[in-house]
Amino acid sequence: EVKLVESGGGLLKPGGSLKLSCVASGFTFSNYWMHWVRQAPGKGLEWIGEIEYDGTETNYAPSIKDRFTISRDNAKNTLYLQMSSVRSEDTATYFCTTYTAWGQGVMVTVSS
Amino acid sequence: DIQMTQSPSVLSASVGDRVTLNCKASQNINKYLNWYQQKLGEAPKLLIYNTNNLQTGIPSRFSGSGSGTDYTLTISSLQPEDVATYFCFQHNSWPTFGSGTKLEIK
Repeated sequence: EVKLVESGGGLLKPGGSLKLSCVASGFTFSNYWMHWVRQAPGKGLEWIGEIEYDGTETNYAPSIKDRFTISRDNAKNTLYLQMSSVRSEDTATYFCTTYTAWGQGVMVTVSS
Repeated sequence: DIQMTQSPSVLSASVGDRVTLNCKASQNINKYLNWYQQKLGEAPKLLIYNTNNLQTGIPSRFSGSGSGTDYTLTISSLQPEDVATYFCFQHNSWPTFGSGTKLEIK
């Protein structure tokens, strides 16, 4: 069974940092580009970035570029999202996805 | 950036109805268009990929069509379990989602 499980969410203050993880199972993780998508409360979906199979290429949406970093460890079947200089508008549920499979999401709340 | 416009934003229909959801791109996306269903409190689920390919395990009442800038998701006979928000998603270039169509039962 294909499974993606995110973790690491929580409450943090503006300007703070947080690292999300996404553990993959049930498929060959290293064969897939991986993506992060977020959804603010009651809002639509926003693609925020992606990483190539071996991590050599990453692409980011303008809204998070230079603040967030996507990385992966194929030996651990794990995708990461390092969030820095967070703002209130980063409050959202964060999903990791292959576009086909999706994790259940992890909530990040930015508030003073 | 490619803008994706979905219409209508809310659709109310009866069980058994044929339902059509629309998605218009601001430029040609070469059929790189997916449709997702999201039920309240859940992650999105892939229904259709690359315009008209039904994802494994998805009921055949769902179908997709389109080309260029205009795309459609059709539910041939609406079922109660289809109540959800539907998002289109283009991955021809920098990926973008539509704002969604909320589907309700009359």
